[in-house]
Amino acid sequence: GAVVSQHPSRVICKSGTSVKIECRSLDFQATTMFWYRQFPKQSLMLMATSNEGSKATYEQGVEKDKFLINHASLTLSTLTVTSAHPEDSSFYICSARASDTSNTQYFGPGTRLTVL
Amino acid sequence: AQRVTQPEKLLSVFKGAPVELKCNYSYSGSPELFWYVQYSRQRLQLLLRHISRESIKGFTADLNKGETSFHLKKPFAQEEDSAMYYCALTSGSRLTFGEGTQLTVNP
Repeated sequence: GAVVSQHPSRVICKSGTSVKIECRSLDFQATTMFWYRQFPKQSLMLMATSNEGSKATYEQGVEKDKFLINHASLTLSTLTVTSAHPEDSSFYICSARASDTSNTQYFGPGTRLTVL
Repeated sequence: AQRVTQPEKLLSVFKGAPVELKCNYSYSGSPELFWYVQYSRQRLQLLLRHISRESIKGFTADLNKGETSFHLKKPFAQEEDSAMYYCALTSGSRLTFGEGTQLTVNP
């Protein structure tokens, strides 16, 4: 149980375009989902916390207009990187916290974004 | 502010040897601590939580509030333990990760 999927697993796009990444909890409901960014050989950096039905809470230094987050249902959150630039190239990972457990987060496999 | 420190980026041991991955934290409240593991080309997965006081795959970790540490230990390392290990602390729902330790278990 507690499986989180992400789609796509890998995406390459041109500079200036927008890219949407989906995060789904497959076998549980997640009132809270999280979006992380991971640079090569570095740790995960929390970008934002997404609660179902409300606006996401962004970490300091993360542009909310650039990284649009939508959490429309208890099993789906999306991250849209708008007007992508090469410096946005990174590994984006989502996680979900099950509604009926404590603070354990279950992680998706990640999405590799490359902006040309 | 909460902070997690893993002083060793790389740790290499031989198969059968004991291994200890260090984790120290700073947090003003009562922390909930986790160890996550990431095997090569796989997603991050939970290894253990301090509140469960369990042993997973032979690993244990004890929360030492006096030393603000949550070191991960295994008495006899196996080659399949080679992976990236992250210590994490949560306040509310927010997880703060350490920088990670790459463990290599040599045959």
